[in-house]
Amino acid sequence: DAGVIQSPRHEVTEMGQEVTLRCKPISGHDYLFWYRQTMMRGLELLIYFNNNVPIDDSGMPEDRFSAKMPNASFSTLKIQPSEPRDSAVYFCASSSQGRSPLHFGNGTRLTVT
Amino acid sequence: DQQVKQNSPSLSVQEGRISILNCDYTNSMFDYFLWYKKYPAEGPTFLISISSIKDKNEDGRFTVFLNKSAKHLSLHIVPSQPGDSAVYFCAAGSGGYQKVTFGIGTKLQVIP
Repeated sequence: DAGVIQSPRHEVTEMGQEVTLRCKPISGHDYLFWYRQTMMRGLELLIYFNNNVPIDDSGMPEDRFSAKMPNASFSTLKIQPSEPRDSAVYFCASSSQGRSPLHFGNGTRLTVT
Repeated sequence: DQQVKQNSPSLSVQEGRISILNCDYTNSMFDYFLWYKKYPAEGPTFLISISSIKDKNEDGRFTVFLNKSAKHLSLHIVPSQPGDSAVYFCAAGSGGYQKVTFGIGTKLQVIP
């Protein structure tokens, strides 16, 4: 099993540009999560999907953030326009039904200058 | 408002000694707790969990203790090894618990 795959690993962009982060969950997992990690706030849940349907997006900081899951094997997190305060590490995670632990990808380090 | 608190940002322990990482929570609805370990440039990986119906769960060198009345849990690592040096995240959930709340992490350094 390849695990959760995220791309790109690093993204450097200028303020105002659109940024798209990508995630491929573990095959067979029903849940997909997007987290953001910062020094001050740790790991924050942004949004999660169940069977490709967004269930809770209350953690999405602003309308500049959007996430989609067009099928069971792919999800995107988009920031448009990006701002310097969006600089963080963004993690995607997936899990199966029930109280199963999250499996995280290796993250995308986003730097907005 | 942080519902899961890890008040020690860092901890240093000698190899072979016990490492104790602490976590406090405020939400009484939490009934399932987990610890994750994170190495630099990698995602967190699941380490151990405990349900609120238990007060202890053990897995090899790792033991998690839960004190529900104090809303406190701790992770014990015995004996500590240099490979245990990582950031440890405490996490909590409730009900179907798919929505898990994380603490900000504690960086453990095990000195050879």
